[in-house]
Amino acid sequence: GAVVSQHPSRVICKSGTSVKIECRSLDFQATTMFWYRQFPKQSLMLMATSNEGSKATYEQGVEKDKFLINHASLTLSTLTVTSAHPEDSSFYICSAETGSGTDTQYFGPGTRLTVL
Amino acid sequence: QKEVEQNSGPLSVPEGAIASLNCTYSDRVSQSFFWYRQYSGKSPELIMSIYSNGDKEDGRFTAQLNKASQYVSLLIRDSQPSDSATYLCAVKASGGFKTIFGAGTRLFVKA
Repeated sequence: GAVVSQHPSRVICKSGTSVKIECRSLDFQATTMFWYRQFPKQSLMLMATSNEGSKATYEQGVEKDKFLINHASLTLSTLTVTSAHPEDSSFYICSAETGSGTDTQYFGPGTRLTVL
Repeated sequence: QKEVEQNSGPLSVPEGAIASLNCTYSDRVSQSFFWYRQYSGKSPELIMSIYSNGDKEDGRFTAQLNKASQYVSLLIRDSQPSDSATYLCAVKASGGFKTIFGAGTRLFVKA
């Protein structure tokens, strides 16, 4: 149980385009989902926390107009990187929290974004 | 600022040895503690969770928690080369607080 999927796994796009990444909890309803970014050989960096039906909470320094998060249901959250630039190239990982009282986060497999 | 501290490593152990990974945390009201394994280029994978003081064993893995010392550890018995990865310690207080991740310890198991 507690499987989280992410799509796409890898995307290459041109500078200036927008990219949407989907995160789904497959076998549980996620009260909260999280979006992380990780650069090579660096730690996970939390970008934002999203709860179903409400606006996402962004971490300090993360531009909410550039990284649009929509949490339309208890099983789906999307991250849209708008007007992507080469510096946005990174490994984007979502996680979902079961909310079962233990608040365990389960991670999706990640999306590797390359902006040319 | 709530912090979770880990030695970045690399921690190098021979195959078959016990690997000991340590983590300290600053928030005394922390209630939930997790260990994740992250292979290079992959996302983190949950290994163990622990909520009470003492030891919790799952196969070759043992998590140890000491809330008085604000310390949590992970022991890997009979280490295998496939255990070579970065191990992330994560800590959460109850009541809607964020889970705080350590920067991770790189483990290298030599065949």
